[in-house]
Amino acid sequence: AQKVTQAQTEISVVEKEDVTLDCVYETRDTTYYLFWYKQPPSGELVFLIRRNSFDEQNEISGRYSWNFQKSTSSFNFTITASQVVDSAVYFCALSFEASGTYKYIFGTGTRLKVLA
Amino acid sequence: NAGVMQNPRHLVRRRGQEARLRCSPMKGHSHVYWYRQLPEEGLKFMVYLQKENIIDESGMPKERFSAEFPKEGPSILRIQQVVRGDSAAYFCASSLPQGAHYGYTFGSGTRLTVV
Repeated sequence: AQKVTQAQTEISVVEKEDVTLDCVYETRDTTYYLFWYKQPPSGELVFLIRRNSFDEQNEISGRYSWNFQKSTSSFNFTITASQVVDSAVYFCALSFEASGTYKYIFGTGTRLKVLA
Repeated sequence: NAGVMQNPRHLVRRRGQEARLRCSPMKGHSHVYWYRQLPEEGLKFMVYLQKENIIDESGMPKERFSAEFPKEGPSILRIQQVVRGDSAAYFCASSLPQGAHYGYTFGSGTRLTVV
């Protein structure tokens, strides 16, 4: 079965602290894609990153970095020097092929609160 | 704005009324997906459509819910005889024909409140 687990329901940090959001996935497929989306208080969903199952290179984009480890089926997201504007709900998602289409499974999200 | 457009942003309906949610995909995207987000939960897949064709509706409730994506015009998610449990945020996403694995572009969502 395909599954995405975000065990951290809510995290609070003080501004400038680093914070890591965990994502663990389950899939039997060898080809799949992993994503992170951000949902700020305004409610829209913002695409952050996509990673395919054959690319385990970690990625850094400004204060954001992602650590993909197939051995532990994890795709964790770290924000360095957090800012109040990072406060949002962050969703991890798994995309896989099923019956000729690609489906997404979303985790339940981690609410990040960055305090000034 | 070349993004995915959803309207209305907020919709209030009384129990028993019909709700119609609209989604115009990004320019060049011919695939549309509807997701529902219940309060404090993640997004759950509802239906995947191409123009004039429902590809996958495995996430749609069996009754009262329907979706279409006509040749012309936006995709419509229709909920008949709404109940309080239908209150949620409904998100539409679109993708290129090559597939959703490149990443969805989501609309801003429609927040449905049933009173």
